[in-house]
Amino acid sequence: GQNIDQPTEMTATEGAIVQINCTYQTSGFNGLFWYQQHAGEAPTFLSYNVLDGLEEKGRFSSFLSRSKGYSYLLLKELQMKDSASYLCASVDSNYQLIWGAGTKLIIKP
Amino acid sequence: DTGVSQDPRHKITKRGQNVTFRCDPISEHNRLYWYRQTLGQGPEFLTYFQNEAQLEKSRLLSDRFSAERPKGSFSTLEIQRTEQGDSAMYLCASSLQGEWDEQFFGPGTRLTVL
Repeated sequence: GQNIDQPTEMTATEGAIVQINCTYQTSGFNGLFWYQQHAGEAPTFLSYNVLDGLEEKGRFSSFLSRSKGYSYLLLKELQMKDSASYLCASVDSNYQLIWGAGTKLIIKP
Repeated sequence: DTGVSQDPRHKITKRGQNVTFRCDPISEHNRLYWYRQTLGQGPEFLTYFQNEAQLEKSRLLSDRFSAERPKGSFSTLEIQRTEQGDSAMYLCASSLQGEWDEQFFGPGTRLTVL
């Protein structure tokens, strides 16, 4: 079967660093997306990884290990506006996105 | 505005009624997706089109749901004989087929079935 696992909720402090993990099992693999979704809004693209390693983009970085079926999203210098759900989605052999349930990130002052 | 648009943004209906939603993708995007999302869950795939062809439909989708994309541009999603369990946010996304296609989401249509 196809499965994406990520923590339901995480809490972090403004200015700190947080790592959100995602493990995936899909039929075939053609990359992994991270999306951010604020409450009541549509998801917006953050990153895409298809090769092993770390991709850095400003305060956000995303890591992929294909052999372990594992990815993480690293958020640095957290700001209150980063409070949102972070969705991990794996691209399967049919190029369809298989979505996790999302990790709700709560930022405290 | 050149993003994905959806209409209506909100729909309240009584159980048993039919509803239709519209999605206008980004103009040059040839792929269009419909998802359903409930609170605390990720988007659940419903169906997708490449140009006007409906290439895949979720097995979870009952025959009360139908989607069209007649000219390969806008798409409609119809739900017949709505049930309370159909209450959800219906998201449309579009992408340009390529090496990796980032999906751009519309604002969604929130459906409430009373």
